[in-house]
Amino acid sequence: NAGVMQNPRHLVRRRGQEARLRCSPMKGHSHVYWYRQLPEEGLKFMVYLQKENIIDESGMPKERFSAEFPKEGPSILRIQQVVRGDSAAYFCASSRYTGDTEAFFGQGTRLTVV
Amino acid sequence: AQRVTQPEKLLSVFKGAPVELKCNYSYSGSPELFWYVQYSRQRLQLLLRHISRESIKGFTADLNKGETSFHLKKPFAQEEDSAMYYCALKNNAGNMLTFGGGTRLMVKP
Repeated sequence: NAGVMQNPRHLVRRRGQEARLRCSPMKGHSHVYWYRQLPEEGLKFMVYLQKENIIDESGMPKERFSAEFPKEGPSILRIQQVVRGDSAAYFCASSRYTGDTEAFFGQGTRLTVV
Repeated sequence: AQRVTQPEKLLSVFKGAPVELKCNYSYSGSPELFWYVQYSRQRLQLLLRHISRESIKGFTADLNKGETSFHLKKPFAQEEDSAMYYCALKNNAGNMLTFGGGTRLMVKP
């Protein structure tokens, strides 16, 4: 089991471009969580998804950000028209089921907006 | 609203010295508390959780509901303990975690 896989590890985008971050959960995990870590800060919850469903998006910015977890394929965090303030490390975690006490994290994608 | 506070951004100790990384939380219900560790260039990984009452790599943490704290302790620090440590809280409503700002532990030889 390769663990939670995120790609790319590093992503550079110019202001106004789109960023697409991918997360493949651990085998057998159907729950995915996205967190953002701004420089010098802790991880902040963004969104919680199950297959084909968004369960909780209370941490997602209202505009430009969206997330999906399709029936097949990885979860995608999409940021449209990126701005410098979107520069951060984005972490994905997965768990087996609701109530599972342990979530396993990916190595993160570091987004830099220039 | 739930919140996790780690007052120290950096903690530097000598090898063999005791270590205590502080964590305070605010949450109105019964929280689940965790410590995660991130070694250099590695992913975030679970170190321990309060419900297990376990000791991992010599670290322990006791949930003190009266003081709303979950401090991480180790009696004798090792150089390989140098890492970022994050305290996290999970509420009853879902699986998402609320993290503290993290403490960088540096253990000097």
